[in-house]
Amino acid sequence: AQSVAQPEDQVNVAEGNPLTVKCTYSVSGNPYLFWYVQYPNRGLQFLLKYITGDNLVKGSYGFEAEFNKSQTSFHLKKPSALVSDSALYFCAVRDGSSNTGKLIFGQGTTLQVKP
Amino acid sequence: NAGVTQTPKFQVLKTGQSMTLQCAQDMNHNSMYWYRQDPGMGLRLIYYSASEGTTDKGEVPNGYNVSRLNKREFSLRLESAAPSQTSVYFCASSKVLGSNQPQHFGDGTRLSIL
Repeated sequence: AQSVAQPEDQVNVAEGNPLTVKCTYSVSGNPYLFWYVQYPNRGLQFLLKYITGDNLVKGSYGFEAEFNKSQTSFHLKKPSALVSDSALYFCAVRDGSSNTGKLIFGQGTTLQVKP
Repeated sequence: NAGVTQTPKFQVLKTGQSMTLQCAQDMNHNSMYWYRQDPGMGLRLIYYSASEGTTDKGEVPNGYNVSRLNKREFSLRLESAAPSQTSVYFCASSKVLGSNQPQHFGDGTRLSIL
């Protein structure tokens, strides 16, 4: 069975500092991994994905994520945080070996960037 | 371009009442989904439709029904609302079920059951 874990309910970082939001996953086949961001009273917005290829993927708003197969992790990173990055972040995984696999979401991590 | 549009944005119901949440997408996507979001639980799949004319249960289907009215529209119905169904409901769509393309989400319906 597929699962996603985001071990931190909240991450606090000062503006200008690097940020990391952690995600680990479990899937039986090839993982398709996604990060989404949710601003208050809005739906989820796609940030980036890993399907295959380079382990470091770049996405919207300066975010990037590193796929680590041995550690089954897909941590979201940004070199320099902005106050406007404050939001709820979701990691999601799908079994890429199945064409009927559904997307499984982590419980979400609130990122708070302080000025 | 609108993307995924959900109506209504907010609704308050009494226990036992029924209502239908509407969703429409204008991206010519084949697959559509209904999720509920509860604090600390992420998003959980209620029902999905791989293509027009098909619907399937997700992780938490009890108490809900769906209709894929056409390629654009996918509605979620609560026949007899219960307080446990108080949640934020999101509709999403994707080009094809199981593809490597991301899902696109509406802005949600905030539903309170008293």
